[in-house]
Amino acid sequence: KNQVEQSPQSLIILEGKNCTLQCNYTVSPFSNLRWYKQDTGRGPVSLTIMTFSENTKSNGRYTATLDADTKQSSLHITASQLSDSASYICVVSAIKAAGNKLTFGGGTRVLVKP
Amino acid sequence: DGGITQSPKYLFRKEGQNVTLSCEQNLNHDAMYWYRQDPGQGLRLIYYSQIVNDFQKGDIAEGYSVSREKKESFPLTVTSAQKNPTAFYLCASRTTGGGEKLFFGSGTQLSVL
Repeated sequence: KNQVEQSPQSLIILEGKNCTLQCNYTVSPFSNLRWYKQDTGRGPVSLTIMTFSENTKSNGRYTATLDADTKQSSLHITASQLSDSASYICVVSAIKAAGNKLTFGGGTRVLVKP
Repeated sequence: DGGITQSPKYLFRKEGQNVTLSCEQNLNHDAMYWYRQDPGQGLRLIYYSQIVNDFQKGDIAEGYSVSREKKESFPLTVTSAQKNPTAFYLCASRTTGGGEKLFFGSGTQLSVL
């Protein structure tokens, strides 16, 4: 069964500090992995996409890494801002004959405090 | 502005009542999806549609129904058969033929009175 596990479930950090979120998956055959940011009461918005051959990708202060061998990804937030307070969702896509199938992680809720 | 619009933002359902959640997109996307989000859990797929007049059940379709009469619209009905409907419902769309980036609406919070 395809699964995506995220850790920690939640974390609190001070403004200006860095943090790293983890995503472990058992999705096969792997197509790509995407990180979404979801503000409270809103829909998720895509931050980055990682394919099999990519190890790292940045989007501003967000940097995602992928280790396809260990089936792990991380999302690093640098110099956190209050606006980074949100849930971050890891979504892994599996190659499927009828089209790609998505498996969602439960998310990590980040709270940035001043 | 291009995007996905969900309405209403908040919805209350009485026992035995059917309610319909609206989802409209002007992105010209072929595929549309409905997800259910419960606290601390990953999004779960209810129904999806890859083309007009066609839709498929997702992982948790029981107690829900959909229609896709127009490319722009994909309404979801939560029927009285859905015994635990309280959740945050998200509609999404994407282009077919490559790429799995989903564009989400702002969601509808459904609660039971």
